[in-house]
Amino acid sequence: SQQGEEDPQALSIQEGENATMNCSYKTSINNLQWYRQNSGRGLVHLILIRSNEREKHSGRLRVTLDTSKKSSSLLITASRAADTASYFCATADNYGQNFVFGPGTRLSVLP
Amino acid sequence: DVKVTQSSRYLVKRTGEKVFLECVQDMDHENMFWYRQDPGLGLRLIYFSYDVKMKEKGDIPEGYSVSREKKERFSLILESASTNQTSMYLCASSFTLAASSGNEQFFGPGTRLTVL
Repeated sequence: SQQGEEDPQALSIQEGENATMNCSYKTSINNLQWYRQNSGRGLVHLILIRSNEREKHSGRLRVTLDTSKKSSSLLITASRAADTASYFCATADNYGQNFVFGPGTRLSVLP
Repeated sequence: DVKVTQSSRYLVKRTGEKVFLECVQDMDHENMFWYRQDPGLGLRLIYFSYDVKMKEKGDIPEGYSVSREKKERFSLILESASTNQTSMYLCASSFTLAASSGNEQFFGPGTRLTVL
């Protein structure tokens, strides 16, 4: 069953702009993770936010989590062409065995 | 750095062939996973393994089997390949399944399988 749903499905921005992607999920989670996938490659873990956290930063990445709305957002500031990739959210329940990826947001950063 | 390798980047097989996809990780992770990725569907879990010789079905195990004889190696087997198994196959590993410990997964580069 699909848990996370990213929005939008695709996003095009100019270099230097900020990119925001959203993820909604349906059931209670222990943590939510964001991954990046460059074209035709495997996924790379970006950041994990726990259910008792509201915001987390890592370099140019900012993740927020609103458990009351069952949603998360990933903000990439001052985007670069190298940020062009697909971004996935993944949710984990408290047992860790229900680890579910959404369909992803395809980000294009134009030079 | 964790390294997860997959035996092939691209593979072309014929309908009915038996196909082996191999995955090796070098960080002594307990858990290994096989996903398939299709456009618009995201990643779907086929099987995972939490220990040597242990396996659990994921969301779409039909038509697949797995083998984990050694901790570092997890194989995905298509007993009789069909055209609807044409897909990108991704292997991953993680140190723990426990979400409370941070169960991030480390992925291999993927194998793009085409079944003709």
